[in-house]
Amino acid sequence: GAGVSQSPSNKVTEKGKDVELRCDPISGHTALYWYRQRLGQGLEFLIYFQGNSAPDKSGLPSDRFSAERTGESVSTLTIQRTQQEDSAVYLCASRRGTSVTYEQYFGPGTRLTVT
Amino acid sequence: RKEVEQDPGPFNVPEGATVAFNCTYSNSASQSFFWYRQDCRKEPKLLMSVYSSGNEDGRFTAQLNRASQYISLLIRDSKLSDSATYLCVGGNYGGSQGNLIFGKGTKLSVKP
Repeated sequence: GAGVSQSPSNKVTEKGKDVELRCDPISGHTALYWYRQRLGQGLEFLIYFQGNSAPDKSGLPSDRFSAERTGESVSTLTIQRTQQEDSAVYLCASRRGTSVTYEQYFGPGTRLTVT
Repeated sequence: RKEVEQDPGPFNVPEGATVAFNCTYSNSASQSFFWYRQDCRKEPKLLMSVYSSGNEDGRFTAQLNRASQYISLLIRDSKLSDSATYLCVGGNYGGSQGNLIFGKGTKLSVKP
């Protein structure tokens, strides 16, 4: 079946502009995650959605970052007034549910470059 | 102490070698564990899930030691294609970050 998809695959933007990244999770997966990965670094948790529960936003680095998800479908991650340090790959992942035995599947990521 | 810790490596091994990575976790409530591999400039892909004492899949064996709070990944007969970064993940009921904590990864380089 279809995996997690993300768009765009690459985004180059000028410092100060807003960007919107999109994630389509696997159908039926209620849990959705956003991570950031800078070059050569590990995964940095940003935000987690589970069904209609309030999202866990504890990883968002500043108020310039926000994310939305409607129900159990598409999610968008918005970065306002982008800075050069926002340059990274933004990865989305989904899981069937919250049981810790459920495996997590990643999308191919969006590579963001802020010039 | 970080919740999930890994030796960053790099581990440089010749083809055919056996290599083992350890991953330690600090939360004794962790219920499940996963190993992912991440190729350069690609997304992480699930390699193995570990729920009880361990799991084996071909050349790959994962073992869980709850008493010492570590998980190991053993790769036998290493191939050039095994070169990647291996991520250890701990799953905790009611834990932070959506119940999944990632280690920073261990880099493996298999040489001819």
